Amino acid sequence: DIQMTQSPSSLSASVGDRVTITCRASQDISHYLAWFQQKPGKAPKSLVYAASTLQSGVPSRFSGSGSGTDFTLTISSLQPEDFATYYCQQYNAYPYTFGQGTNLEIK
Amino acid sequence: QVQLVESGGGVVQPGRSLRLSCAASGFTFKTSTLHWVRQAPGKGLEWVASISYDGTNKYYADSVKGRFTISRDNSKSTLYVQLDRLRSEDTAVFYCARAAYMDVWGKGTTVIVSS
Repeated sequence: DIQMTQSPSSLSASVGDRVTITCRASQDISHYLAWFQQKPGKAPKSLVYAASTLQSGVPSRFSGSGSGTDFTLTISSLQPEDFATYYCQQYNAYPYTFGQGTNLEIK
Repeated sequence: QVQLVESGGGVVQPGRSLRLSCAASGFTFKTSTLHWVRQAPGKGLEWVASISYDGTNKYYADSVKGRFTISRDNSKSTLYVQLDRLRSEDTAVFYCARAAYMDVWGKGTTVIVSS
């Protein structure tokens, strides 16, 4: 199985900060990587797929990059609504696997 | 609009069964790969099962293999998962999602396994 490791597990930041979350795959997954945002009590929301393609309607302050085993999600200027938990997920091969999540909190 | 709506959750005793449904609308259901993903209380997301557009190919997490069965009815635009031999550790919110990269999610249905 492909293991997905996110770092950090939690992060405190302020509105306006630039934030980067990293996701590492235990083997090459090419560009088959998605990012999700989840707020408490809500379903996950798709942000990025194919490692760097922004979903329709997602603000341009979000960006994804990487290929192979190393990926990043960057928020260029944090807004109040961005404080949430973020997950990466590989869909290169079954079983699909998620990272453990990164909890982004307000400093 | 594109929508997935789960139903069928509830409180069930260990060892019993439950069937969850996911009704789809707003897109071409019969061409879409679909998934079940769950989230135990306070935990992260766990992929559970997937089914190909025509129901031919099915995939399961090891934790549910042999106990859960995914299926679909393209004539009703509905995805299902049969949960058998439920355990306390199956307690979770169950979500259905569309496409390999899970671009659309339902709001979830809660399954509580407790005596």
